[in-house]
Amino acid sequence: GQQVMQIPQYQHVQEGEDFTTYCNSSTTLSNIQWYKQRPGGHPVFLIQLVKSGEVKKQKRLTFQFGEAKKNSSLHITATQTTDVGTYFCARTTDKFIFGTGTRLQVFP
Amino acid sequence: NAGVTQTPKFRILKIGQSMTLQCTQDMNHNYMYWYRQDPGMGLKLIYYSVGAGITDKGEVPNGYNVSRSTTEDFPLRLELAAPSQTSVYFCASRKQGVGNTIYFGEGSWLTVV
Repeated sequence: GQQVMQIPQYQHVQEGEDFTTYCNSSTTLSNIQWYKQRPGGHPVFLIQLVKSGEVKKQKRLTFQFGEAKKNSSLHITATQTTDVGTYFCARTTDKFIFGTGTRLQVFP
Repeated sequence: NAGVTQTPKFRILKIGQSMTLQCTQDMNHNYMYWYRQDPGMGLKLIYYSVGAGITDKGEVPNGYNVSRSTTEDFPLRLELAAPSQTSVYFCASRKQGVGNTIYFGEGSWLTVV
C-alpha cells in the first residue's frame, strides 16, 4: 500500500527542549508536504520539499527531505507552548495520503 | 473568503440512521477529498474526486458514498450509521497538479449512538 509512517506517535517535552518527528514512505516520493493541526482544529500547510536532500527552515522549524526521497524529518528547536499540536507529513499524489502523525505536547 | 465550507458542524445520529455531510468550495479546485479522524488518531482518506463526475475510493470507503455533480460540491453520504463511524470528518480541496496545497474545512463532529 501507499503507507506513510511517522515516529514517534507521541512526544511530551519541556518548553525549551528540541523535538523531531520522522516520516517514512514505502515508496519514493516526488515531493512531500508538512502540515500542523492544532487541538480542535484542522490541518494547515507548513511547507513543501521537492529536491533530494533538501533542507528548509522556518524560524525554529527545520525540514529535511532524504537523499532517496523516501523519508523526511521536521525538527523544532527550543519548543514553545504554541508548538503544541499534531504534525503530519503527506504524499501529494492524487490520493493525498497523510502520515500517521506525531502529537506534540509541550509543558511550560 | 469562504474556502471550504462543511455542514453540519456537529451531529448525533442513532444507529441505522442515514445522513449527508455537505461540502462546498469556492476556489474552483478540481480535486476534493473526504477524510475521517478518530480521536487522537491520524487522517484516513474515505473518498476523493479529481473533477465533476469522477470519484474514487480512498483507504476506508466502506459505509460511505459520495457524488460530484458540480465542481463546487462534494457531499458524503453515510448509510446505516454504526458506532464505528463516530469521528471527525474533514472535507478538503486543492488545485490539480503535483505539489499543490490542500485546504481543509473546519470539520464535522459526528457521534453515532
